[in-house]
Amino acid sequence: DTGVSQDPRHKITKRGQNVTFRCDPISEHNRLYWYRQTLGQGPEFLTYFQNEAQLEKSRLLSDRFSAERPKGSFSTLEIQRTEQGDSAMYLCASSLGGVVSYEQYFGPGTRLTVT
Amino acid sequence: AQSVTQLGSHVSVSEGALVLLRCNYSSSVPPYLFWYVQYPNQGLQLLLKYTTGATLVKGINGFEAEFKKSETSFHLTKPSAHMSDAAEYFCAVSDLRTGNQFYFGTGTSLTVIP
Repeated sequence: DTGVSQDPRHKITKRGQNVTFRCDPISEHNRLYWYRQTLGQGPEFLTYFQNEAQLEKSRLLSDRFSAERPKGSFSTLEIQRTEQGDSAMYLCASSLGGVVSYEQYFGPGTRLTVT
Repeated sequence: AQSVTQLGSHVSVSEGALVLLRCNYSSSVPPYLFWYVQYPNQGLQLLLKYTTGATLVKGINGFEAEFKKSETSFHLTKPSAHMSDAAEYFCAVSDLRTGNQFYFGTGTSLTVIP
């Protein structure tokens, strides 16, 4: 296992379409995170999972955003009815869980462009 | 609430000169602090971290950072800049209370002048 992978790397879609991104974490990591990064900004936390449980989702940007991790392995992030303001880089990260706040390992990101 | 402030969105240094990137944090409990580097069109790579113990932390590629509680700072330094250090650098904070939610600063773009 060489790291966190994300698919696709780039996605261009028209406003109003739905998009889904996939993230495969490092295999032994039980925590998985989604972030959004816009130009000139740092990553903004969206949601995270411990195994298959979504432990924090209040910071998802709107009800058009949803995430799943059905078997505690890979995760998907879906954006429904995309808007131009959704154009950004979507980053996935994974980490070990536990008492200590372990470092997060990031994937290469999916760049979304909404036209 | 936690937050991170990175002073200076753009920093330029000459090759071989000292690199200093500033990070100040706000946290009501003992923080965990991280520096990440991002190259164009890539994800973030961990440079170094502070959790507990020694306040001077050494990372990869010759970088180090010092946790100063009294100043609520975690500045990143490197004695001698290399052309390959040109990238975007992000400071992040988390703590036990919020679990693994990382709060990132807005980043500092480092340019190295030959």
